[in-house]
Amino acid sequence: EADIYQTPRYLVIGTGKKITLECSQTMGHDKMYWYQQDPGMELHLIHYSYGVNSTEKGDLSSESTVSRIRTEHFPLTLESARPSHTSQYLCASRVGQGPLYGYTFGSGTRLTVV
Amino acid sequence: QQPVQSPQAVILREGEDAVINCSSSKALYSVHWYRQKHGEAPVFLMILLKGGEQKGHDKISASFNEKKQQSSLYLTASQLSYSGTYFCGTVNAGNMLTFGGGTRLMVKP
Repeated sequence: EADIYQTPRYLVIGTGKKITLECSQTMGHDKMYWYQQDPGMELHLIHYSYGVNSTEKGDLSSESTVSRIRTEHFPLTLESARPSHTSQYLCASRVGQGPLYGYTFGSGTRLTVV
Repeated sequence: QQPVQSPQAVILREGEDAVINCSSSKALYSVHWYRQKHGEAPVFLMILLKGGEQKGHDKISASFNEKKQQSSLYLTASQLSYSGTYFCGTVNAGNMLTFGGGTRLMVKP
């Protein structure tokens, strides 16, 4: 059973719509991340958070925004979706302390903007 | 800077061995390895810290050569379930995890 949940699993939406991709984890992890991945390609970090009220942009420039009001919740918002935003969005989390822990990924949201 | 993985793809028969390499141009603190099956999320396999240690998980093991800034993933006596895309992720002084381009592994009966 997954400890990190993403909804929706699939989303097809029209250009210009506002969307929010949900990500929640039940593990109490401080660190959370959003990655963008085109099919069969590498993962690119677009946002991350080290705790409540902490958010930073990642390596890949993105027009999306994130918030971290609660430890378990890290939603990603696109104010005006465009076809170039079509991709898979993966949320991940990890334990805050120590270098020995890997990332746990959610199942992803596959977004298509038409 | 993104680590470089090689090979980009490999096809094996069940029971054969494979090696996947991951190289970085920057000094590394640790290396992660993940496997992603088609349509699924990446799954954490193991992490290696600098010091050249080797870790294992069943018949999958890995090494980390800090001086060469390289890591290798060894798959021994491959099984059908090993099929998927393998990603290395490197952590450098900025403490951020950067993923390589992936290696697509297909194991055939």
